[in-house]
Amino acid sequence: DTAVSQTPKYLVTQMGNDKSIKCEQNLGHDTMYWYKQDSKKFLKIMFSYNNKELIINETVPNRFSPKSPDKAHLNLHINSLELGDSAVYFCASSQKRLTFGETQYFGPGTRLLVL
Amino acid sequence: AQSVTQPDIHITVSEGASLELRCNYSYGATPYLFWYVQSPGQGLQLLLKYFSGDTLVQGIKGFEAEFKRSQSSFNLRKPSVHWSDAAEYFCAVGATDMRFGAGTRLTVKP
Repeated sequence: DTAVSQTPKYLVTQMGNDKSIKCEQNLGHDTMYWYKQDSKKFLKIMFSYNNKELIINETVPNRFSPKSPDKAHLNLHINSLELGDSAVYFCASSQKRLTFGETQYFGPGTRLLVL
Repeated sequence: AQSVTQPDIHITVSEGASLELRCNYSYGATPYLFWYVQSPGQGLQLLLKYFSGDTLVQGIKGFEAEFKRSQSSFNLRKPSVHWSDAAEYFCAVGATDMRFGAGTRLTVKP
């Protein structure tokens, strides 16, 4: 009965590789997000989709590309991985867009380590 | 621009003692304020949120927070801390966009 799930939970890979992280929510929410949490625990939003439409696209390298095949899924593909991409990536969802105090529900995170 | 400051990186309290975690925000309009908790190896869980009404907000797990507009603060409190409260706590502000503070790590001594 997991609300927001991510796979894989851990990902260790070499520099230069391409990898994907998958996210699924079974809450019936319209909006999904990707956050990056760095080694200092700082959380920064990367992308947000509402009903499969990109609505937030922060300053993120072009190597990161989100894809939303349907409103229950938001995947993150990363090309040419770099050491600085090592972080924990969190997927989240909310009923609607972030207005009027919408609550976000977070997945367990994907711990990415680039060697 | 909206921003959140959590002045304390790490706080240690004894089990049973009271707790206050500080949060200061900068926001151009009426803020929507949140406190999340992140247990080790887990995602973030919402403790409570505020966007209007009573400035003292009750949350889950016995936590409460008080919104003070004059001080631009939204401090989190708990009267008696339990060992299971040891975690990372994040304050966040946002309406159409969310900004998180850097977090405060809480250690609970037996």
